Amino acid sequence: DVKVTQSSRYLVKRTGEKVFLECVQDMDHENMFWYRQDPGLGLRLIYFSYDVKMKEKGDIPEGYSVSREKKERFSLILESASTNQTSMYLCASSAPGPSSHTQYFGPGTRLTVL
Amino acid sequence: GNSVTQMEGPVTLSEEAFLTINCTYTATGYPSLFWYVQYPGEGLQLLLKATKADDKGSNKGFEATYRKETTSFHLEKGSVQVSDSAVYFCALRGAGANSKLTFGKGITLSVRP
Repeated sequence: DVKVTQSSRYLVKRTGEKVFLECVQDMDHENMFWYRQDPGLGLRLIYFSYDVKMKEKGDIPEGYSVSREKKERFSLILESASTNQTSMYLCASSAPGPSSHTQYFGPGTRLTVL
Repeated sequence: GNSVTQMEGPVTLSEEAFLTINCTYTATGYPSLFWYVQYPGEGLQLLLKATKADDKGSNKGFEATYRKETTSFHLEKGSVQVSDSAVYFCALRGAGANSKLTFGKGITLSVRP
């Protein structure tokens, strides 16, 4: 079974702090994604990566950055957390090619910024 | 650009009722279509998919047919169970896109005994 794990289920940070959200997948997937999920807005893509050291902006990259130093790990960084970044953050991975239709999601990290 | 529109929620049904959740899309070319489900406290998981027009995806008693003429991918189940209570997301992967998914806003389904 594909397993995508996220470093924390719940996280509370203060405004201005630097925040790291970690995601690890164990299926040797090339593609990895970070989304945020907000009520009434569904899932919105923040950043994605098709390979190590490669990243591309999604639909809402402002205020975020990412790091992909190893194939299995994709980190989301909030350089200076703000209250409007309080949200549920979901990581996903997928294989390349035709099987990339299916994305596998982690359980999510609920981040609260005070 | 690509977009997915889901019917407004939440939806509350009694056990064994018939379920329909509407989903329509806007995309160029021939996208692939998906339904993902999120059970309480969990991440999303793929429920079913269809990759070309007239395909029917099915899983766990749920079905959805890819209708290109109406740009729709409505989710149906003949008899819902309490365990089907979850949030359901319709999504598409655009033709030529490199694994990017566009999601609808999601709809919460509650099934009461």
